[in-house]
Amino acid sequence: GQNIDQPTEMTATEGAIVQINCTYQTSGFNGLFWYQQHAGEAPTFLSYNVLDGLEEKGRFSSFLSRSKGYSYLLLKELQMKDSASYLCAVRDGEGNYQLIWGAGTKLIIKP
Amino acid sequence: DTGVSQDPRHKITKRGQNVTFRCDPISEHNRLYWYRQTLGQGPEFLTYFQNEAQLEKSRLLSDRFSAERPKGSFSTLEIQRTEQGDSAMYLCASSLPGGGTEAFFGQGTRLTVV
Repeated sequence: GQNIDQPTEMTATEGAIVQINCTYQTSGFNGLFWYQQHAGEAPTFLSYNVLDGLEEKGRFSSFLSRSKGYSYLLLKELQMKDSASYLCAVRDGEGNYQLIWGAGTKLIIKP
Repeated sequence: DTGVSQDPRHKITKRGQNVTFRCDPISEHNRLYWYRQTLGQGPEFLTYFQNEAQLEKSRLLSDRFSAERPKGSFSTLEIQRTEQGDSAMYLCASSLPGGGTEAFFGQGTRLTVV
């Protein structure tokens, strides 16, 4: 079956670094996305990985290992506004346009 | 362009009634997706259009759900004979062609079936 696992909730301190992990088991793989979603709002795109390695974008980086079915999102210099849910989503094959979504990780930032 | 817009933002309906939601994607985006999201869960795929063609539909989608995109621009999602289990946030997203292109989401329509 198709499965994406993320921790339900994490807590971190303002100014610190946090890593949110995502593991997936899908019938195929054609890319992994990370989205941020503030409560009551729409998801907004953060990053996309299709090849192994690290993609860096400002304070946010995303890593992918296809052989391990594993990705992480790294957030540096945490700010209070980073308090949100972080969703991992996988496109499970070429020609499949739907994304399979994890339940999201709620990140709580404390002062 | 102000992004993906959805209407209405909120809908309360009685069980058994039909409801219709509208989505206006970003104008140059030919891909359009409908998702459903409940509290504490990720979005659940419902259906996908490329231009006016409906190319994918979730097996989880019952016959009570139908979606259209008649001219390849805006889309509607209709739910017939609503049930309490249909209560959720209905999200629309659009994107350009390409495997890695990001999808832009609308603010969603929150449906409450009473």
